[in-house]
Amino acid sequence: EDKVVQSPLSLVVHEGDTVTLNCSYEVTNFRSLLWYKQEKKAPTFLFMLTSSGIEKKSGRLSSILDKKELFSILNITATQTGDSAVYLCAVYTGTASKLTFGTGTRLQVTL
Amino acid sequence: GAVVSQHPSRVICKSGTSVKIECRSLDFQATTMFWYRQFPKKSLMLMATSNEGSKATYEQGVEKDKFLINHASLTLSTLTVTSAHPEDSSFYICSASPRDRYTDTQYFGPGTRLTVL
Repeated sequence: EDKVVQSPLSLVVHEGDTVTLNCSYEVTNFRSLLWYKQEKKAPTFLFMLTSSGIEKKSGRLSSILDKKELFSILNITATQTGDSAVYLCAVYTGTASKLTFGTGTRLQVTL
Repeated sequence: GAVVSQHPSRVICKSGTSVKIECRSLDFQATTMFWYRQFPKKSLMLMATSNEGSKATYEQGVEKDKFLINHASLTLSTLTVTSAHPEDSSFYICSASPRDRYTDTQYFGPGTRLTVL
């Protein structure tokens, strides 16, 4: 059974801090790994990673994939209160062409 | 671009009634649409995958006669919860993969919160 595990489950930081969110996976026929941000409604797409070692960056957010060690990290620098959300990691497997989601990391950024 | 809408955003119904939820890709054609269910403070669980013009593929444990999925066109998929019961109350989210892009990209709708009394 495909499995995606995220850590920590929840995190509280002060505005301005840098955070690292972790995602490890055990799946058959890995195709890609995706990060989403979910606030009150449906997830919004952040990154898709397919190649190992290549960092994807968007503003204060960045992510990298390690296919050898089967994990990915999502970094957020200079956090703001607007970064408060649940961050979801999902892995696309080629066999069934479906996304398997992790449980998410709930991030709270306080003033 | 890549906007997905869902209707209704919220529905409250009596036990035993059927509820239809629509998922539309507004500015792209979607060969594949997905339906997820999310319980409070839990992650998304895939219910079924629907391809335009063919029968949906349901995940293990999802009753296909209870959750009817129709993907009538490249921009519309519907989920009908038949004879809804309180345990069907949940947040239902659809997503769509654009036809002309790398198929691993999924764009999510805003979700539909179903409450069955």
